[in-house]
Formats: sequence, structure tokens, C-alpha cells
Amino acid sequence: NAGVTQTPKFQVLKTGQSMTLQCAQDMNHNSMYWYRQDPGMGLRLIYYSASEGTTDKGEVPNGYNVSRLNKREFSLRLESAAPSQTSVYFCASSIRQASSGNTIYFGEGSWLTVV
Amino acid sequence: QQQVKQSPQSLIVQKGGISIINCAYENTAFDYFPWYQQFPGKGPALLIAIRPDVSEKKEGRFTISFNKSAKQFSLHIMDSQPGDSATYFCAAPDPSNSGYALNFGKGTSLLVTP
Repeated sequence: NAGVTQTPKFQVLKTGQSMTLQCAQDMNHNSMYWYRQDPGMGLRLIYYSASEGTTDKGEVPNGYNVSRLNKREFSLRLESAAPSQTSVYFCASSIRQASSGNTIYFGEGSWLTVV
Repeated sequence: QQQVKQSPQSLIVQKGGISIINCAYENTAFDYFPWYQQFPGKGPALLIAIRPDVSEKKEGRFTISFNKSAKQFSLHIMDSQPGDSATYFCAAPDPSNSGYALNFGKGTSLLVTP
């Protein structure tokens, strides 16, 4: 049981290049998320998918696209990378339970540098 | 969007002391207020969470105190240990997405000195 798995862990891009961050969860969770973390800014939501077949924008969606490929997988694409997208990206998943609310589980993160 | 304000930004506590981190939120419509712990190079991990129908929840050395009328909740770490040195985030469900996603505070960097 690996939880939430993200690839790649580290990536350096040149301005204007594109790339896709991959994420998969093996916990049979309905909802999945992409957050970015920047120093002093906490975690900010980029996109989320409440259930398979749906995606919605979060707080900072500009410059990103997502695909909920199936219940397990949720990818994040940068079409034309910019230095402002240098960040640590976290994929997460959750399941809503009556007893414990909507517990979100995070992956280990993907460190992206755009030069 | 639910604003979540966390303080202090950083905290230094001696081993054995009590660490206290505070969080304020705006919207009371949801049912779940968690704290996450993050070590360098790792993803945030759920530490402890509280539902607003209780005023306090304790798990080992970690306690959440919840004040619904003041829209505040806090994390207390009793008998703080060097291994507790990490960044702590409070969070609250975001009403703009029906509470699916969490809005996070900006984090508190805790250092527990020997």
C-alpha cells in the first residue's frame, strides 16, 4: 500500500517547456488534489477532482491543466513553464467519512525548477 | 474562499516545554479542522483533527482546543521533544468547493532545542 505516489520527484525545465506531473493513489479515494507550496505561502490549491470525471479550479489554476484519467490517477500539466511556477507540487487524495470528515493524504512532493 | 490565519510564524521551545500554535478561520459551515505536520523534504501528514461539536481532542502529547464562538482552534504540544521540530499547518474546509479541499494556514516552523 504505497498511498499517494508522484513522479517525477525532481525536474528542471527551461522557460516555455511543457511537462506533466503524474500522480496515482491506491487507497480507492474518490477525491484528488494538486497543491503547490512556496516559502511563506503555505499550501495553495491548484485544481481538484471531487470524483472521477470531474475537475475544478482551485485558488491558483492559471498556467496549469489537469486530467482525472481514472479513479486512481490525476495528472497536472504545465503547458508553457514560467519561472513563477518554480515550486514544490503535492498531489493528494481523500475520502469523506461521517466519523472523521474529509481526511486528505499527501504524496511526497515534486520539486520543480523553471530556469 | 475560507481564510485561515495561523500564528506564530516560527517558534522555539526548550525540550520538555509546551508548544502552542494558533489558528483562526472564517466559515463555520464545515465539520472538520485538522492539523498537519511536515518534515523537510516530505509531504504534510495528518497529525490530529477535531470536529466543531467538541471543545478539545487529545492524542498522546498533542491536543487541539476548539473555540467555535471565537472561530479559533489551537494546537498544544506537551513535553515537546526535538523530534517534534517540523512545520505545522492548520487547515479548514473551503466553502467555495463544498468543503472538498482544505485551505491551509501559512505554517509555523517549530524548533525544539535540547
